[in-house]
Amino acid sequence: AQKITQTQPGMFVQEKEAVTLDCTYDTSDPSYGLFWYKQPSSGEMIFLIYQGSYDQQNATEGRYSLNFQKARKSANLVISASQLGDSAMYFCAMMIFQGAQKLVFGQGTRLTINP
Amino acid sequence: DGGITQSPKYLFRKEGQNVTLSCEQNLNHDAMYWYRQDPGQGLRLIYYSQIVNDFQKGDIAEGYSVSREKKESFPLTVTSAQKNPTAFYLCASRYRTGNTEAFFGQGTRLTVV
Repeated sequence: AQKITQTQPGMFVQEKEAVTLDCTYDTSDPSYGLFWYKQPSSGEMIFLIYQGSYDQQNATEGRYSLNFQKARKSANLVISASQLGDSAMYFCAMMIFQGAQKLVFGQGTRLTINP
Repeated sequence: DGGITQSPKYLFRKEGQNVTLSCEQNLNHDAMYWYRQDPGQGLRLIYYSQIVNDFQKGDIAEGYSVSREKKESFPLTVTSAQKNPTAFYLCASRYRTGNTEAFFGQGTRLTVV
């Protein structure tokens, strides 16, 4: 069974600081992908970054980077130089690429950026 | 413009009535997903489908039903058997092959009174 855990219900960060949002996962399958999404108060889901289980390098997309530690089964999102517009819910998700390709989400972390 | 469309955005129904939420995509995606989100909570998977005429139960399928008669469409019916149907419902789609992300619709907020 696949499982995603986000242990930080809420995070408060000063503007311009970097922030790390934690995500751990559990699967015995070797082929999987990890995704991060942002959900502003409007409710839309915005894709941020992807990491594949076989990728050798940590993924980066602009101010977003993914700290992938395979042995620890963690895929933390790092946001550099935070901005007020980064305030939102952030979700980590996982998909096993074999079989049914079920996409499962964690409980989310509410990030608040303070001016 | 390509995208995934959910309608309506807001839906009100009386208790005991079935209601169907629409999800249409013109991205030529193979896989489609339905999620439920309660206030301040994560997304829980209701049903998903990888190909036409085939779908699987997610983690909270009880009280819900789906169909996948066309590649573009994946409607979700919330039946009267669903004990607490008031929630925000999100539909997503993605290509079945390749390491690609899922695209989401804008969501439907269902309120049962």
